[in-house]
Order: sequence, then structure tokens, then C-alpha cells
Amino acid sequence: EAGVAQSPRYKIIEKRQSVAFWCNPISGHATLYWYQQILGQGPKLLIQFQNNGVVDDSQLPKDRFSAERLKGVDSTLKIQPAKLEDSAVYLCASRNSGMETQYFGPGTRLLVL
Amino acid sequence: GQQVMQIPQYQHVQEGEDFTTYCNSSTTLSNIQWYKQRPGGHPVFLIQLVKSGEVKKQKRLTFQFGEAKKNSSLHITATQTTDVGTYFCALRGASGTYKYIFGTGTRLKVLA
Repeated sequence: EAGVAQSPRYKIIEKRQSVAFWCNPISGHATLYWYQQILGQGPKLLIQFQNNGVVDDSQLPKDRFSAERLKGVDSTLKIQPAKLEDSAVYLCASRNSGMETQYFGPGTRLLVL
Repeated sequence: GQQVMQIPQYQHVQEGEDFTTYCNSSTTLSNIQWYKQRPGGHPVFLIQLVKSGEVKKQKRLTFQFGEAKKNSSLHITATQTTDVGTYFCALRGASGTYKYIFGTGTRLKVLA
């Protein structure tokens, strides 16, 4: 079974630029999560999708972050415009319905200069 | 947002020594999960605890859920260099949504 795929793996941008991350969950997993992990901290949930609907986006900074999962499969997370404090690893995870285990992708490491 | 404290933040042990990390919540939990993240890697699921007072073992790892379902511990017996990494607890509240809040993590370093 293929794991969660994410791209790009690394991204360096300047502040005020835009950036987008892509995630392809494990086939058949209806739930998809985006987390932000700042160096030395635990993953912080940004948004949770169930199929193509948003379940929780209470911690998503909506003035600059947006995410979509239009067809209920892969997902994109966008930051526009980026700030220095957005430097972090952005992790995507997926979960099968009725199961509790989250499977994480390798993450996208973002550096904002 | 809500932060879940784990203690200690860092732990250096000699290979062969035991290690324990604790996770505490101010609210009653539906369940708790433990993850391990190797340096430069991503979190990998270890185990889930659901029942009050539950104890589960995986080889040298012992996981325990508190009687009040507000705290948990992970104990590693006779650490090995392969145990190096950061151990996170992830808490699911009783709200019914599959939303997890991760702890601050305990970084374990094992000295050979």
C-alpha cells in the first residue's frame, strides 16, 4: 500500500510570496489532515477534511492560509502572503473511516526568508 | 490554541537505561495515541489507548492510560540507540470529531 505523498519536499521563498503544497492521501482514506510543525514543537492541526468537506479549520489563519480538497482525494494548502513565522514543516496525514490511526506523509519543509 | 504538556522536554540516557515520558490533559479524553518521530522524519503511529487504566505493551515499550483518562505515560525498558527520536502523545477529546491535539513532545537521546 502506497503511503501519503507530499510535494514539494522543500521550499524556500521570500516573505510576502505565495506557496502551495500538495498532498495525496492513502487510497480510500476519507479523512485528510494538514498540520504545521514548527521546529521543536508538536504538530498543530490546521484543517481537517472528511471527503471534500471541512470538518475543522478553527486553527487555520484564514487571512493567509487556504486549503481545498475538491474531489475528496488529493488536497492543496496555500499560503498567501507568507510570513517569516510560517517557516515550518507542513505535514499531511490521512485516516481510514472508522479507524483511528493517522498516517503521515514525509512533509514539506518551508523556509521563509 | 490548546497545548498539551509532556514532561520531560528532553531526556538523555545511557544505552540500557529506562526512559519514561508523561502526557497530561486538563480534560477527560476519548482516547490517546502515541507517535514516534525520528530526526528529520515524520510522526509514526505507535499505539492507541482507549480504556481507563489500560496498559499495553510492545516489546520494550509500555503504554498506560490513567484511571481518570486525563493522563498517559510511555515507558521504554533498556533503551537502545534505535529508540532515539521525539515521542508525542496525541489527545482526542470527547467531542466526537476525530480531531487530535499533539503534545509538546519528549526528545530522547540515547548515548552508546
